Amino acid sequence: DAKTTQPNSMESNEEEPVHLPCNHSTISGTDYIHWYRQLPSQGPEYVIHGLTSNVNNRMASLAIAEDRKSSTLILHRATLRDAAVYYCILRGGGADGLTFGKGTHLIIQP
Amino acid sequence: DTAVSQTPKYLVTQMGNDKSIKCEQNLGHDTMYWYKQDSKKFLKIMFSYNNKELIINETVPNRFSPKSPDKAHLNLHINSLELGDSAVYFCASSQGRLNNNEQFFGPGTRLTVL
Repeated sequence: DAKTTQPNSMESNEEEPVHLPCNHSTISGTDYIHWYRQLPSQGPEYVIHGLTSNVNNRMASLAIAEDRKSSTLILHRATLRDAAVYYCILRGGGADGLTFGKGTHLIIQP
Repeated sequence: DTAVSQTPKYLVTQMGNDKSIKCEQNLGHDTMYWYKQDSKKFLKIMFSYNNKELIINETVPNRFSPKSPDKAHLNLHINSLELGDSAVYFCASSQGRLNNNEQFFGPGTRLTVL
């Protein structure tokens, strides 16, 4: 799987939107962009994924750049429960296991 | 109902012992995985099974042997435990192996080798 780059940590206030960036300049045409998060002392949890178009679900939105070399996970209204490590992962064709990087540690201030 | 469950949640044992961690999923998925998260919090794939067949075996020592008695279970047996095996082990499952499938993770098993 191709490599992604994310900030080590970000801080936001409760009830404000959060934009988590991810760079993946070596993405290939068949790579899907996945986001997972890991809350403290829990297993990773799927958040959202996309290929080319922006995606929305009940948890978040995913904005994908036109050249697909970067993407942004958007939490529309952060709560304290959103404090977690967020991982941006590329999955190529035929991929099986997820390749986790260091992720972004999101801190939410009350 | 828990989708992916693991037992035990905690496991403390002595070096040299043999231990097993069990994983079960009730999602009807055909693909299951084992991941290891070390003390520095890096998560790494160890094994992947599809329809009870081994698909991925990353550079994991032979002391680690996964066993899949059926599609709903993937157990991890570890022989001759070493200090470096101390970690949190996560089981996961997905439907199929496509790159747009999401994986569902269990709560983890914290293994401590003394």
